[in-house]
Amino acid sequence: GENVEQHPSTLSVQEGDSAVIKCTYSDSASNYFPWYKQELGKRPQLIIDIRSNVGEKKDQRIAVTLNKTAKHFSLHITETQPEDSAVYFCAASKQAGTALIFGKGTTLSVSS
Amino acid sequence: DAGVIQSPRHEVTEMGQEVTLRCKPISGHDYLFWYRQTMMRGLELLIYFNNNVPIDDSGMPEDRFSAKMPNASFSTLKIQPSEPRDSAVYFCASRARGSGELFFGEGSRLTVL
Repeated sequence: GENVEQHPSTLSVQEGDSAVIKCTYSDSASNYFPWYKQELGKRPQLIIDIRSNVGEKKDQRIAVTLNKTAKHFSLHITETQPEDSAVYFCAASKQAGTALIFGKGTTLSVSS
Repeated sequence: DAGVIQSPRHEVTEMGQEVTLRCKPISGHDYLFWYRQTMMRGLELLIYFNNNVPIDDSGMPEDRFSAKMPNASFSTLKIQPSEPRDSAVYFCASRARGSGELFFGEGSRLTVL
């Protein structure tokens, strides 16, 4: 089955800096790669996703890149703000009705 | 829609007791998932259903865990007997057919003493 590795497990940055979180996956048939943000004590929520037919997607300060050959994808957050502090999870799945398999999460701390 | 609804939000029980967690998915969603979250293991998939039928239960830890979905608007996850290592936050999530996005409930925090 699919296995998703995520690094780093913790990341501390200063406000205004960029943050990058990286994930690798094992199943070459996976073609959907979302990122979820979980604030303390809250539920995970989708912030951005990418499908295998594109290499990059942006939404304001966040972007995701995908390298299918190397089987890795990354989340980039620019101009970080304290409210970006949360746990971020990457995930992977095959499109046709299978479950998301999550990485173990990255705790991002943004200090002002 | 009120979103995915889980109950109870918090449960504290003693080892050996039966625990039942409940979930109401978003109306019209065809898929329902149960995940378990711990610090050590992150978000682990336990089981998921499509149109009320279990599709993959390979993540269920052992025979003490069971899940049912008797209809499109209700699912249960049961642990019997419970053990301290079952302490975790259990999330239910649902998804519409053709969509990738999972909508999570607020979770049920289980503590087994």
